[in-house]
Amino acid sequence: QQQVKQSPQSLIVQKGGISIINCAYENTAFDYFPWYQQFPGKGPALLIAIRPDVSEKKEGRFTISFNKSAKQFSLHIMDSQPGDSATYFCAPNQGGSEKLVFGKGTKLTVNP
Amino acid sequence: DGGITQSPKYLFRKEGQNVTLSCEQNLNHDAMYWYRQDPGQGLRLIYYSQIVNDFQKGDIAEGYSVSREKKESFPLTVTSAQKNPTAFYLCASSLNSATNEKLFFGSGTQLSVL
Repeated sequence: QQQVKQSPQSLIVQKGGISIINCAYENTAFDYFPWYQQFPGKGPALLIAIRPDVSEKKEGRFTISFNKSAKQFSLHIMDSQPGDSATYFCAPNQGGSEKLVFGKGTKLTVNP
Repeated sequence: DGGITQSPKYLFRKEGQNVTLSCEQNLNHDAMYWYRQDPGQGLRLIYYSQIVNDFQKGDIAEGYSVSREKKESFPLTVTSAQKNPTAFYLCASSLNSATNEKLFFGSGTQLSVL
């Protein structure tokens, strides 16, 4: 069963551009919407997360936009930098659920 | 310096051999998890444990085994029954599984078959 659909699979952006990654989900019980960032050969690390009581959260150059009715949320990276080149995963989940469901990842390449 | 330590970084398995991947955390977290990562497949859950001496199968548990004798430790054994073990293995922990606490990941173990 595919509860989470992440797109695009890969993304190439020029330095200074905007990177946008999307995550669509099916389970309306999800109440926590994080994005993880993973560099090659390393484990993922939480980048930013949002709860459904707000529609947008911004931390520096990173913004999450949340659309509850459409059951999707997105990650926006403003002024993208080569150091942002990594794989990004969404992992929406539900409080009390032991098993997180991860998207298949988006490989972002930011060219200098 | 709190965190999750996985060892070894690289591991090679011969056919018919069992190998054990180590995962230790000093974050005082109750919940621990093992994920398998294949290119283009995202992260798939192998096993998870909410408390000491208890663990549950994830989505792809066949060919793997775990133990949770101590809160800090959650080793994963890849048995000879796992016919396609080559992958990047990630251990993670969270404060507990009853809330949406974020996962903390180790740096992973790359397992390859000789």
